[in-house]
Amino acid sequence: KAGVTQTPRYLIKTRGQQVTLSCSPISGHRSVSWYQQTPGQGLQFLFEYFSETQRNKGNFPGRFSGRQFSNSRSEMNVSTLELGDSALYLCASSLKAGQELSYEQYFGPGTRLTVT
Amino acid sequence: QKEVEQNSGPLSVPEGAIASLNCTYSDRGSQSFFWYRQYSGKSPELIMFIYSNGDKEDGRFTAQLNKASQYVSLLIRDSQPSDSATYLCAVIHSGTYKYIFGTGTRLKVLA
Repeated sequence: KAGVTQTPRYLIKTRGQQVTLSCSPISGHRSVSWYQQTPGQGLQFLFEYFSETQRNKGNFPGRFSGRQFSNSRSEMNVSTLELGDSALYLCASSLKAGQELSYEQYFGPGTRLTVT
Repeated sequence: QKEVEQNSGPLSVPEGAIASLNCTYSDRGSQSFFWYRQYSGKSPELIMFIYSNGDKEDGRFTAQLNKASQYVSLLIRDSQPSDSATYLCAVIHSGTYKYIFGTGTRLKVLA
């Protein structure tokens, strides 16, 4: 069973540019969450999508946005990049979302974004 | 008070010993608890989850949950140098169903 895939794996962008990252969840998984991880701040939740709808959102500025497609694949976009956006961006998928107890989440390999 | 708290470490244990990692959480309604292992430069890997009070064993790993005291722990028996990593505790918030992660405990197993 294939795991969560993320593309691209590495990215270098210049301040002010925008970037789009892609995530394909495990087959059959319907929930996709995005996280930012930096050495200083740890793992920070960005947003979660389920059935093409944003279900939860973290405390990030509006420059960070996302969407989910009907096949559960998800993209996140960061506009007007800042130096502080340099981080490892992780996508995680889970089978269910909502009020079930079974909610194991599996991470992709991440996209390492460097903003210069 | 942070929602999920872990000692950042490093926790150093000799090879073959038991490593004990602890995590406390503030949301009394939380029902689902997870432990992830993260090697440097890699993404987190789910190693244990536990939903009921008590112990859950899987190989060398045992997760322990005490909802009354609001803590969850991870025991690693017969620790190996390959277990050296950061261990992240995660809890699902009862109201929003968001994952809340701790900042992780760095474990060093000394050969």
